[in-house]
Amino acid sequence: SYGLTQPPSVSVSPGQTASISCSGDELGDKYACWYQHKPGQSPVLVIFQDTKRPSAIPERFSGSNSGNTATLTISGTQAMDEADYYCQAWDSNMGVFGGGTKLTVL
Amino acid sequence: QVQLVQSGAEVKKPGASVKVSCKASGYTFTVFGISWVRQAPGQGLEWMGWISTYNGNTNSAQRLQGRVTMTTDTSTKTAYMELRSLRSDDTAVYYCARRVVISSNSGYFDYWGQGTLVTVSS
Repeated sequence: SYGLTQPPSVSVSPGQTASISCSGDELGDKYACWYQHKPGQSPVLVIFQDTKRPSAIPERFSGSNSGNTATLTISGTQAMDEADYYCQAWDSNMGVFGGGTKLTVL
Repeated sequence: QVQLVQSGAEVKKPGASVKVSCKASGYTFTVFGISWVRQAPGQGLEWMGWISTYNGNTNSAQRLQGRVTMTTDTSTKTAYMELRSLRSDDTAVYYCARRVVISSNSGYFDYWGQGTLVTVSS
C-alpha cells in the first residue's frame, strides 16, 4: 500500500522559517495537502492541491510538491504555529496520511 | 456556516459495535463527500474511509474492510460510521470530515467534526 513519510519532529526559532517534508513514490504526480492539528482540537486544512491556501490561513503558510517530495513551509514562524502537521494524498481512491511531524517553536 | 456535529463519547466492550453520527449543516449535503479519520492515543491520523453523499458509494481502508460500514441519510443530512468487532486498539477519537472531491483519486478535507471519543475496554 502507498505510504507517506514525514520527519517525526522539526524545531524552529520564532521568526525563522520551518520546512516540513513529506515523501512518497511519485508524490509529485498527485495532489498533496497539509493539516495542522493541535491537542484537543480538530485538524485544520492549511494547504490543499499542493500550493493553495484556504482564505483563513495566514500567508506565511505555503506548499510545494515535486518529484517524490511535498514540502510545507512556514515563514516567520510564530509560537501559535506549534502543532502536529500531517501531509495527505490519495492513491487508488484511498486516503493516505503521513505519520505526522511535531513542530516545536523554541 | 458549515458545521459538522458528531455524536457523543462512547464506551464499548471488546467485540461490540459502535455507530458514530455526523450531522452536517450550512451547505448542500450531496455536493461533498464525507470521510472518516481516527486518531488513537499518542498516534497519528488514520484515514478510515469515505462515502459519496451523492450516490452512496464507499471505499474504506484495507485494514478495516469487513468491520466498517459508512452510510448517509440525506433527508437529515447525517453521515454514520459503524465499526464492528471492536478491539482495544480501536480506542481513538473518531472524526468526520467534509471531502472536497476534485477527482476520484484526489481531494481534501476542508471542514471537520469536533471528534468523538470511543473507548473500548472490558
